[in-house]
Amino acid sequence: AQSVTQLGSHVSVSEGALVLLRCNYSSSVPPYLFWYVQYPNQGLQLLLKYTSAATLVKGINGFEAEFKKSETSFHLTKPSAHMSDAAEYFCAVSDRESNYQLIWGAGTKLIIKP
Amino acid sequence: DAGVTQSPTHLIKTRGQQVTLRCSPISGHKSVSWYQQVLGQGPQFIFQYYEKEERGRGNFPDRFSARQFPNYSSELNVNALLLGDSALYLCASSRSGTSGEQFFGPGTRLTVL
Repeated sequence: AQSVTQLGSHVSVSEGALVLLRCNYSSSVPPYLFWYVQYPNQGLQLLLKYTSAATLVKGINGFEAEFKKSETSFHLTKPSAHMSDAAEYFCAVSDRESNYQLIWGAGTKLIIKP
Repeated sequence: DAGVTQSPTHLIKTRGQQVTLRCSPISGHKSVSWYQQVLGQGPQFIFQYYEKEERGRGNFPDRFSARQFPNYSSELNVNALLLGDSALYLCASSRSGTSGEQFFGPGTRLTVL
C-alpha cells in the first residue's frame, strides 16, 4: 500500500535561510507527487506537482522539489525563507494502484524565525 | 474563475445529530472528493465522485454518505454525530480525478459538542 512519510513535524529556519522539507513515499507503480501548503484556518493550496516529466519541478512562491526515484523522495526546497512562508506543508502521492486517490503525509509545520 | 466553494464555513452540532455539508466544484470539473482533517493531522480521504458515480470510498463508517448532483456539486452527510467527527471537512475538485491534481475549497469546520 502507498504511504507518505514527512520527516519532522516541525521545522524551524531563520528568515533568509534555506528551507528543506523532506518527503519519502512508497509506491509500486509510477506515482504522481504533490506538495500542498495550508495557511491557518484555510484550505489546501497546490504548490507543485510531479507527473513524470522533468524530475526538478518548480512551483509557486519560489519553491521547488526534486523527484529521486532511487531514493523514493520528493523533498521540497526554497533557497531563501520569507516570513510569509510560515504554514503547514503536506506531501501527497497518488497512482493507478490507489485509483488516483491522494495519500497524504502527516504534514510539516514550517516556522520562520526573524 | 471561481474556485471550489463550500458551505457552511462553520457548524456546531451536538452528539447524535445529523449534518449536511455542501460543495460546488470549479466550473468544468466533473470529479469531487471529500476529506476529513482532524487538527494536527493530514487529510483523510472519505469519498470521490465522478459523473455522479462513487469512484472511491475511504475507511469511514456508514454514517458517512455523499452524493453528486447533475451540476457536479456534491453533498456530504454525516449521521449520528460523534465527538470524534469534529474536524475540518475539505472538498476538492478535479477535471477527471485520474491525475491526482485536486483543487481544494476553504473547508467546513464542524464542531460536535
